[in-house]
Amino acid sequence: ETGVTQTPRHLVMGMTNKKSLKCEQHLGHNAMYWYKQSAKKPLELMFVYSLEERVENNSVPSRFSPECPNSSHLFLHLHTLQPEDSALYLCASSQDRSGRSYNEQFFGPGTRLTVL
Amino acid sequence: AQSVTQPDIHITVSEGASLELRCNYSYGATPYLFWYVQSPGQGLQLLLKYFSGDTLVQGIKGFEAEFKRSQSSFNLRKPSVHWSDAAEYFCAVVGAGSQGNLIFGKGTKLSVKP
Repeated sequence: ETGVTQTPRHLVMGMTNKKSLKCEQHLGHNAMYWYKQSAKKPLELMFVYSLEERVENNSVPSRFSPECPNSSHLFLHLHTLQPEDSALYLCASSQDRSGRSYNEQFFGPGTRLTVL
Repeated sequence: AQSVTQPDIHITVSEGASLELRCNYSYGATPYLFWYVQSPGQGLQLLLKYFSGDTLVQGIKGFEAEFKRSQSSFNLRKPSVHWSDAAEYFCAVVGAGSQGNLIFGKGTKLSVKP
């Protein structure tokens, strides 16, 4: 595998279910991101991890719980979601978040989530 | 507030025709600018980026973009569109020299007719 991979690619869940999205990057990067892409809205940054530490949480509801066990893996744990949470969830990684230079983000293919 | 505007939600062009997708940004500091493309069912792929220097930047797949500071614009162009260019295109901005977050526009969907 190369680049950024995400599993599953599609997920349908009920509002009472608990599920997890997985992201893995094979680029040797130190920073990872979760984005939400809803119809007719710009991409929304949800969480940022740098060296496995959460450095940003953009007012995301607690029903979304991220986990970064190491610099290569990122999870998004989902529970008691609402239908409006249906969206494409994209993972990205970048070299790091340190220093003065901006580091390009590389995106995975996304998980299409449908909440019934 | 920082923002990116892509005025065209959906554009249809004929194969072989030229293409220009518009992007305007509002950013208080010197921006870094990006164009991404998203094919159906795929993630975002970087087409090109502007950090500094020559304001006309070349990207992959024959795309180019021109940074015009006076107009706060970063329009994407291609001289001859191919059917495989049908996708959604996103413009994004981040503060130069910062670890700030990318700010995306809402995207422009491109359809290509034969």
